[in-house]
Amino acid sequence: DVKVTQSSRYLVKRTGEKVFLECVQDMDHENMFWYRQDPGLGLRLIYFSYDVKMKEKGDIPEGYSVSREKKERFSLILESASTNQTSMYLCASSLRGPYGYTFGSGTRLTVV
Amino acid sequence: ELKVEQNPLFLSMQEGKNYTIYCNYSTTSDRLYWYRQDPGKSLESLFVLLSNGAVKQEGRLMASLDTKARLSTLHITAAVHDLSATYFCAVVMMDSNYQLIWGAGTKLIIKP
Repeated sequence: DVKVTQSSRYLVKRTGEKVFLECVQDMDHENMFWYRQDPGLGLRLIYFSYDVKMKEKGDIPEGYSVSREKKERFSLILESASTNQTSMYLCASSLRGPYGYTFGSGTRLTVV
Repeated sequence: ELKVEQNPLFLSMQEGKNYTIYCNYSTTSDRLYWYRQDPGKSLESLFVLLSNGAVKQEGRLMASLDTKARLSTLHITAAVHDLSATYFCAVVMMDSNYQLIWGAGTKLIIKP
């Protein structure tokens, strides 16, 4: 089974801190995605990547950046965390092509 | 731009009843996914529907796809409490790197 592992299940950070959310997949998937999920707002795409060192902005990239130095790892960076970035963050990966995504277990981030 | 609409967004029903969740989408696609999300958990793939007229069934859940009507349905038969979850449909955007476009999700509560 494809496994997508997010490094933290719960995270509490202070306003202004730089925050790193890590995601690792073990099935050689080309595509990786970061979403945030808030009540009533569904899944919103932050950034995605179709290959190593490639990144594309999603629907809500402001306040975030990403890094993909290795195929299996896709990191989401909050440059200066703010309270409105308190959310559930979901990482996903997929093969190149019209294939479904496999999701990690999510990181619930609280910014205080 | 591909838009995906699910309805209803919220559904409360009694055990033993039947109901249907609808997923409409705005442009041509012939591949659609259904996912389930339990409270506080991540998303798990339920079904992939690959062509017009496709039907998939697992237990009390049955999904179908009508690509001409741009409509998928997720039918629940004789609902049980364990099916309480949020259900998402996701449509493959065929002309843009096969990205998945997500519906807003249907929160299903099944009361004993």
